[in-house]
Amino acid sequence: DARVTQTPRHKVTEMGQEVTMRCQPILGHNTVFWYRQTMMQGLELLAYFRNRAPLDDSGMPKDRFSAEMPDATLATLKIQPSEPRDSAVYFCASGLVLEGAYYNSPLHFGNGTRLTVT
Amino acid sequence: AQKITQTQPGMFVQEKEAVTLDCTYDTSDQSYGLFWYKQPSSGEMIFLIYQGSYDEQNATEGRYSLNFQKARKSANLVISASQLGDSAMYFCAMREASSASKIIFGSGTRLSIRP
Repeated sequence: DARVTQTPRHKVTEMGQEVTMRCQPILGHNTVFWYRQTMMQGLELLAYFRNRAPLDDSGMPKDRFSAEMPDATLATLKIQPSEPRDSAVYFCASGLVLEGAYYNSPLHFGNGTRLTVT
Repeated sequence: AQKITQTQPGMFVQEKEAVTLDCTYDTSDQSYGLFWYKQPSSGEMIFLIYQGSYDEQNATEGRYSLNFQKARKSANLVISASQLGDSAMYFCAMREASSASKIIFGSGTRLSIRP
């Protein structure tokens, strides 16, 4: 079975440090999403890409977060500098979206990166 | 405004009983899709079932079915003959045609199955 691969699975870091999370989407998928999950806020959409182009990153704190897709096999989410309030599980998900369709393709999620900022 | 509303933060159900998890949504689009995901304690997000706004029949996948009432903007998940392994968080999600590819999630319902 094809899977979305996220690394690292766990990350503990100190406040102020840079954190980079990586995602390998499923081959052939043309959309990639980054979500953050916390107990208080649930699943928040941070950013998403279609065909490697960023479509919406309005859910992301711009001053410290950045998301990129340097190529079709890699998406990155970077936090610099990290803060304790960034502690959460970060999910990457990929899917195939076709123009003109009403989008019945589900998202496939990675196992997440559990980030703890102390 | 909340686009996806799941009003049941937690539910307890006896094993083998059927359970309905509620989901209402808000959209002005004619074309949209609705999804349900399961998140067990291991943390992974598992896709369960999909319903398109133009689908005339309710979606079914094994023990999962979706009670889609378009006029009421509800898309409730029905799990028949619940099993202990069904204990998990369940999320309703929506993708609107006007929002490009974006999928947004509800706050989830924690389902606990009693033996």
